[in-house]
Amino acid sequence: DIQMTQSPSSLSASVGDRVTITCRASQSISTYLNWYQQKAGRAPKLLIYAASSLQSGVPSRFSGSGSGTDFTLTISSLQREDFATYFCQQTYSTPKGFGQGTKLEIK
Amino acid sequence: QVQLVQSGAEVKKPGASVKVSCKASGYTFTSFYIHWVRQAPGQGLEWMGLINPKDDSTTYAQKFQGRVTMTRDTSTTTVYMEVSTLRSEDTAIYYCAREGYSSSSRWFDPWGQGTLVTVSS
Repeated sequence: DIQMTQSPSSLSASVGDRVTITCRASQSISTYLNWYQQKAGRAPKLLIYAASSLQSGVPSRFSGSGSGTDFTLTISSLQREDFATYFCQQTYSTPKGFGQGTKLEIK
Repeated sequence: QVQLVQSGAEVKKPGASVKVSCKASGYTFTSFYIHWVRQAPGQGLEWMGLINPKDDSTTYAQKFQGRVTMTRDTSTTTVYMEVSTLRSEDTAIYYCAREGYSSSSRWFDPWGQGTLVTVSS
């Protein structure tokens, strides 16, 4: 099975900050990497698919990059509504597992 | 619009079974796989398996082989996921999600609203 490792597991930041979350796969997954945002009590929401494609309706301050084993999610200027938990996911092969999550909190 | 609507919360005793439904609308039901993902309280996301509504074929995570069954009803565009021999560790929110795809990637969107299953004596 492919293991997905996210870092950091938690992060404190302020409104307006630039934030980067990383995700590493245990083997190459090409660009079969997605990012989701989850707010408390809600289902995950797709932000980025195919490593760098912005899902329709998602603000352009979110961006993704990477291929192979190393990927990043960047939020260019944090807004209050961005404080949530973020998960990466590989869909290269089954089981289509997730990273352990990064909880983004207000400093 | 594309939508997945799940059945309501369940409370079950250890050893019992639970069957959760996920009704799809707004697209051609047989053209997209449906996945099931669960989330224990305060924990991360755990992929359980998938069903191909076109031919009813399934793939399960090894952890759930023999205890989870996914089925579909094309007449009602509904997918079902049954977990048997429930234990307290199965207490979680269960989500269904549609797999979108392109020539070079796959993703989960949209997701159902989630179904809380509580296993307690």
